[in-house]
Amino acid sequence: KNQVEQSPQSLIILEGKNCTLQCNYTVSPFSNLRWYKQDTGRGPVSLTIMTFSENTKSNGRYTATLDADTKQSSLHITASQLSDSASYICVVIDQTGANNLFFGTGTRLTVIP
Amino acid sequence: NAGVMQNPRHLVRRRGQEARLRCSPMKGHSHVYWYRQLPEEGLKFMVYLQKENIIDESGMPKERFSAEFPKEGPSILRIQQVVRGDSAAYFCASSPRDLSYNEQFFGPGTRLTVL
Repeated sequence: KNQVEQSPQSLIILEGKNCTLQCNYTVSPFSNLRWYKQDTGRGPVSLTIMTFSENTKSNGRYTATLDADTKQSSLHITASQLSDSASYICVVIDQTGANNLFFGTGTRLTVIP
Repeated sequence: NAGVMQNPRHLVRRRGQEARLRCSPMKGHSHVYWYRQLPEEGLKFMVYLQKENIIDESGMPKERFSAEFPKEGPSILRIQQVVRGDSAAYFCASSPRDLSYNEQFFGPGTRLTVL
């Protein structure tokens, strides 16, 4: 069964600290993996898209990693800011169809001063 | 280039009424996706459309829900005879082509409340 699991479910960190969010998936055949940030009451915004051959991709203070062998991805946030408080969603797309997206339930990150 | 636009942003309906949600994709995007998000839950795929065609509606309930993306105008998600369980945020997303390696842009969502 194709699944995407994220951990932790929620996380509270102090402003300026780093954190790492995890995503494990069983989707096959794999096409690409995406991380989205969703602010409360807003639509998700794409942070990164990673293909099979990409191990690491950065977008400012966000760095995503992908291990296609173990089917794991992580999103590392450096020097967190209050504005990083949001839900972070991992989405995996398979190769069987353009619309086969599998969503994780997200990690709710709260950054406190 | 305006982003994906959805309206209304908030919609209140009484049980049994109809709800119409509109989505205007980004300019040049011909692929539209609708998702539902229940409170404290993740996004759930509902339907995928290209201009004038429904490509995949496997995530959409068979009854009371319908979607269209006409040649001209926005995509419409229609919910007939709404029930309390339909209360959710409905997000629309668009992409220029299929999602194999293309980015998908989300709208701000429509929050439907059924009284």
